[in-house]
Amino acid sequence: DAKTTQPPSMDCAEGRAANLPCNHSTISGNEYVYWYRQIHSQGPQYIIHGLKNNETNEMASLIITEDRKSSTLILPHATLRDTAVYYCIVRTTNSGYALNFGKGTSLLVTP
Amino acid sequence: DGGITQSPKYLFRKEGQNVTLSCEQNLNHDAMYWYRQDPGQGLRLIYYSQIVNDFQKGDIAEGYSVSREKKESFPLTVTSAQKNPTAFYLCASIDRQMKAFFGQGTRLTVV
Repeated sequence: DAKTTQPPSMDCAEGRAANLPCNHSTISGNEYVYWYRQIHSQGPQYIIHGLKNNETNEMASLIITEDRKSSTLILPHATLRDTAVYYCIVRTTNSGYALNFGKGTSLLVTP
Repeated sequence: DGGITQSPKYLFRKEGQNVTLSCEQNLNHDAMYWYRQDPGQGLRLIYYSQIVNDFQKGDIAEGYSVSREKKESFPLTVTSAQKNPTAFYLCASIDRQMKAFFGQGTRLTVV
């Protein structure tokens, strides 16, 4: 699976959009981009995933660049409850592979 | 409700003892994973299993063992060979879209 790079931490004011970047310059054609978040002392929660088109669901939007070498997770109106560690993962849909998490981005939403 | 159940939530172990962490899922997922998380760190893969009676080592398998006798169950044994077992342990299963579902974790402390 391709390696990802994320900033270790970010801040965002409550009510503003939080834009979390992820670099995956070695991504291959059959690899998807997945985002998860982990609130303190809980198991990670799936947010969204995509292959090459932008995706949106009730939690967030995922913007993938045309060359697929980077992506951005957007929380359109961040709340205090969005304070968490956000993980960007790249992998295929082949179930024979491990699912590896990096250290993620620690997002702090401030009042 | 469908989901991943880990038990117990908190576990205390004496040095030199083996201890088994339970992970059960009723999501009918084939693939299951065990991770370890230390304070302020990301998730590190211990073992994973794609199907019943088959499992593979992850990045930090030494001192741990697993079994997969049933699709629903993937218990993790922390053996006395694991020199620093105090950590937060997370179990996950993955659906056909490769979305991972996590349990709430077991916090193991060696006393």
